[in-house]
Amino acid sequence: DGGITQSPKYLFRKEGQNVTLSCEQNLNHDAMYWYRQDPGQGLRLIYYSQIVNDFQKGDIAEGYSVSREKKESFPLTVTSAQKNPTAFYLCAARGPTPSTDTQYFGPGTRLTVL
Amino acid sequence: GENVEQHPSTLSVQEGDSAVIKCTYSDSASNYFPWYKQELGKRPQLIIDIRSNVGEKKDQRIAVTLNKTAKHFSLHITETQPEDSAVYFCATTSTGTASKLTFGTGTRLQVTL
Repeated sequence: DGGITQSPKYLFRKEGQNVTLSCEQNLNHDAMYWYRQDPGQGLRLIYYSQIVNDFQKGDIAEGYSVSREKKESFPLTVTSAQKNPTAFYLCAARGPTPSTDTQYFGPGTRLTVL
Repeated sequence: GENVEQHPSTLSVQEGDSAVIKCTYSDSASNYFPWYKQELGKRPQLIIDIRSNVGEKKDQRIAVTLNKTAKHFSLHITETQPEDSAVYFCATTSTGTASKLTFGTGTRLQVTL
């Protein structure tokens, strides 16, 4: 999981702003995922992508958007429509083959709304 | 959709004792069951996983058991050490769902001296 990077580590957002969280991987894995973690809770799936130029909504996609223009990159935008965005955001990649279920996580981005 | 329940939410054991964390799931099609360890402020790290065609898997002090009939699986840590203190998450997924993981709500394990 050292091959997955997320930036920034900490991010502060003002009300009404859109912010974009970066996720990059050099593992050559096809599938990537975004999860949100709230204090004392498990991880919930926001969006996922199984292949370049394709992505699907997860369980809590409202107020978020993603793109997958390159295999190694899967950025997440938190829009102003997300009413409670303060959370720890984790990106994951699954591989090394499409039949592998194992997901490895990046170090996370902690987003705080001011 | 899948629902995963995890118990207990907190667990305190003395160093050297064993710790057991249990998860139950609802989807009978679930066939992959990973366990993650998360230290404060860090990423979840995979510590062990099991597939539905296996009943038990062991890796040194860590073991996972699966009961498909009852739809539950457990994490067993023996000879606990202070560095085992962390939050542990179970998860499940099934074939054909893009390997989307459904997570339990976590167990905070505290190993005391």
